[in-house]
Amino acid sequence: AQSVTQLDSHVSVSEGTPVLLRCNYSSSYSPSLFWYVQHPNKGLQLLLKYTSAATLVKGINGFEAEFKKSETSFHLTKPSAHMSDAAEYFCVVSVTDKLIFGTGTRLQVFP
Amino acid sequence: SQTIHQWPATLVQPVGSPLSLECTVEGTSNPNLYWYRQAAGRGLQLLFYSVGIGQISSEVPQNLSASRPQDRQFILSSKKLLLSDSGFYLCALRQGATDTQYFGPGTRLTVL
Repeated sequence: AQSVTQLDSHVSVSEGTPVLLRCNYSSSYSPSLFWYVQHPNKGLQLLLKYTSAATLVKGINGFEAEFKKSETSFHLTKPSAHMSDAAEYFCVVSVTDKLIFGTGTRLQVFP
Repeated sequence: SQTIHQWPATLVQPVGSPLSLECTVEGTSNPNLYWYRQAAGRGLQLLFYSVGIGQISSEVPQNLSASRPQDRQFILSSKKLLLSDSGFYLCALRQGATDTQYFGPGTRLTVL
């Protein structure tokens, strides 16, 4: 069965330092994987999506994620955190016409 | 481009009262529509999805029901709310062959 595991429930970084949010997936075939971001009391916004065209996926707001089949990982990174990046991030896998969500990682950014 | 509206934005209801949450979409036709619930400190749970007018699939047995009276309208209802129905309700759509879902702004429901 398809699933995703977000390895950290909370991540704290200082503004201007790199961000790494970790996600491992489980899938019997090449999956569609997503990262969504949710700011407090807001809906989810799509950051990026992996299909199979390229292993390094660039998203909005300077985020990118790398699909590593050998490690079954799809970690989200950003070179330099901004205060506005503070939010909840969800790693998601697509299963037919449904999405399976990870439990989320709350990113805190300190000045 | 497509837009998702959810109404109301926030709602406080007593236990045992009825519920009706509305989701309407613009800029698209014949979308797949989804209702999710996000309880405090928990991930997103898929409640219902619909592939067309009058077609509803339920993912989790519960106190809620859904209806799709029009192509671009998706309604979440309850006859009697429970405390456990509190949460953040999100409507989402998927268009065509893509598996990407786009989310509305959500409705915060508090049952007291």
